[in-house]
Amino acid sequence: GAGVSQSPSNKVTEKGKDVELRCDPISGHTALYWYRQSLGQGLEFLIYFQGNSAPDKSGLPSDRFSAERTGGSVSTLTIQRTQQEDSAVYLCASSTGSTGELFFGEGSRLTVL
Amino acid sequence: RKEVEQDPGPFNVPEGATVAFNCTYSNSASQSFFWYRQDCRKEPKLLMSVYSSGNEDGRFTAQLNRASQYISLLIRDSKLSDSATYLCVVKKDSSYKLIFGSGTRLLVRP
Repeated sequence: GAGVSQSPSNKVTEKGKDVELRCDPISGHTALYWYRQSLGQGLEFLIYFQGNSAPDKSGLPSDRFSAERTGGSVSTLTIQRTQQEDSAVYLCASSTGSTGELFFGEGSRLTVL
Repeated sequence: RKEVEQDPGPFNVPEGATVAFNCTYSNSASQSFFWYRQDCRKEPKLLMSVYSSGNEDGRFTAQLNRASQYISLLIRDSKLSDSATYLCVVKKDSSYKLIFGSGTRLLVRP
């Protein structure tokens, strides 16, 4: 497809379980971002990848969160030992890196019971 | 203090009204500014960039006041389809990180 693709669109899990969220960015976009949006809140920056540079992980809220980007394309955000406060919509975005326009996926809605 | 602050609203206005949103930012090193629009349960999308001299796109006008560190968005002749949350976004040119405000919700009623 032409846009940013995320999966799963919805994920319900039990507290303590691990989850993986996937993002397939727009082809040719070198920059990839993960943001988190809790109900009624703004977007919280989590992590940024740009080409082969080391990622900026400064927004990850705890060491239970990790992300990787393989081959400069697909990215996976992993949350270990999920907690109820991890419940949110996880948004992935990609860009060319040279402008302020981010193209967002539809998000993965995570609910931790 | 948040880096980007917005009045959460909601702003409830009739069709045809003119409505303005303000946004303040705390980091004077911020160099690039944007307004994004987010429909309910949808992803954010770029509405317009904000240039130092101010810029207009149809019914939408964006302005920047660097001295006071605020950005505004004016919507003229509001349409029902303008109902959404408007996110103020800032970026330092030395950084790739976009900082989003929490958004201002607009409801346009018939």
